[in-house]
Amino acid sequence: GAGVSQSPRYKVAKRGQDVALRCDPISGHVSLFWYQQALGQGPEFLTYFQNEAQLDKSGLPSDRFFAERPEGSVSTLKIQRTQQEDSAVYLCASSLGSIRTRAHGYTFGSGTRLTVV
Amino acid sequence: DAKTTQPNSMESNEEEPVHLPCNHSTISGTDYIHWYRQLPSQGPEYVIHGLTSNVNNRMASLAIAEDRKSSTLILHRATLRDAAVYYCILRVNNDMRFGAGTRLTVKP
Repeated sequence: GAGVSQSPRYKVAKRGQDVALRCDPISGHVSLFWYQQALGQGPEFLTYFQNEAQLDKSGLPSDRFFAERPEGSVSTLKIQRTQQEDSAVYLCASSLGSIRTRAHGYTFGSGTRLTVV
Repeated sequence: DAKTTQPNSMESNEEEPVHLPCNHSTISGTDYIHWYRQLPSQGPEYVIHGLTSNVNNRMASLAIAEDRKSSTLILHRATLRDAAVYYCILRVNNDMRFGAGTRLTVKP
């Protein structure tokens, strides 16, 4: 597709349930990023992939959060034993260049809105 | 980390120009200035970016101060569809760090 695709668009999870959020980046984009956006706030960085390598996971809030991009294209963000504070919009973005290419912009998906009840 | 400062909110009338300011006094020489906007229920959308010189594209213009410690995003004729949160970001390290942005309201 022409843009970054995220699924599902909405997810309601019971507290303690595991969830998996999918991101299909733009074909050929080297970099992939996950962000978490709480209501009324700007997006907060979670993790970064360059191809299949996860080069930065400093933003992941706890060890319940796990991300992978095994073949350097599709990525999955997994949250184990969800808590109410995990409720947020999870955004995926991809970029053509690597982190060294600071001139390249990001293309964001529309996000997955996770509600933990 | 380099940080940016933006007003929380601004208002504009439709069809008038809008100047959205951003301060980034701790910017380093290799940091690009990026602007994104986020419409309701959508992910952020790239608007424009620059390093030192002013930049123009079909969406907006970016005016960068000579000392690079501030910049201004210029929407030449605001439309109702320009109502969004506008983020000024410095591209550093592995990611872009978003602040709270400026919520732009466009009045008809």
